[in-house]
Amino acid sequence: GQQVMQIPQYQHVQEGEDFTTYCNSSTTLSNIQWYKQRPGGHPVFLIQLVKSGEVKKQKRLTFQFGEAKKNSSLHITATQTTDVGTYFCAEPQGGSEKLVFGKGMKLTVNP
Amino acid sequence: DAGVTQSPTHLIKTRGQHVTLRCSPISGHKSVSWYQQVLGQGPQFIFQYYEKEERGRGNFPDRFSARQFPNYSSELNVNALLLGDSALYLCASSLWPTVGPQHFGDGTRLSIL
Repeated sequence: GQQVMQIPQYQHVQEGEDFTTYCNSSTTLSNIQWYKQRPGGHPVFLIQLVKSGEVKKQKRLTFQFGEAKKNSSLHITATQTTDVGTYFCAEPQGGSEKLVFGKGMKLTVNP
Repeated sequence: DAGVTQSPTHLIKTRGQHVTLRCSPISGHKSVSWYQQVLGQGPQFIFQYYEKEERGRGNFPDRFSARQFPNYSSELNVNALLLGDSALYLCASSLWPTVGPQHFGDGTRLSIL
């Protein structure tokens, strides 16, 4: 079945730096969701993107859905230690109720 | 309002045993999904239930089963446990059966010896 590919899998940044992580699919998506999981915690819903080219912002986080609805990006501005965790994108499979998660992008921040 | 609650938080079993994990959704949520998360991987979909009916099933063997009760709480059962079943089992609830934001519980950490 389809699976979203996340790149990079690991990212280590200095506090204050910007960075971007990407999520790519081989098929056109109806929507894409992003979750954050802190170490030892559970995934927490961040955002859902539905429209082609959609851009949504949450404070220092900017989420974008590609024009072809096959990829998405998460950009974090001025990274803080509170941003540490693993970020997952997730896509519905085949229009069903099944949500397929990527392997995640683990972010560590050097203070 | 309380979030999604799962019990127990930790569990240790031996190979061949069976286990029952429990989940109470957010009040008003009628859809419950179960996921397995192995260390270093993303959550893998196991089941989704809505209004007591199975609405989706992932690629897991028949040893895995689940059900949803009239109060929308749910149980996940795993029989004939294998070492590879060691994982964090997450329950998520949502308002609708069609895919939307999933609200996860803290999970049950299952260890198989």
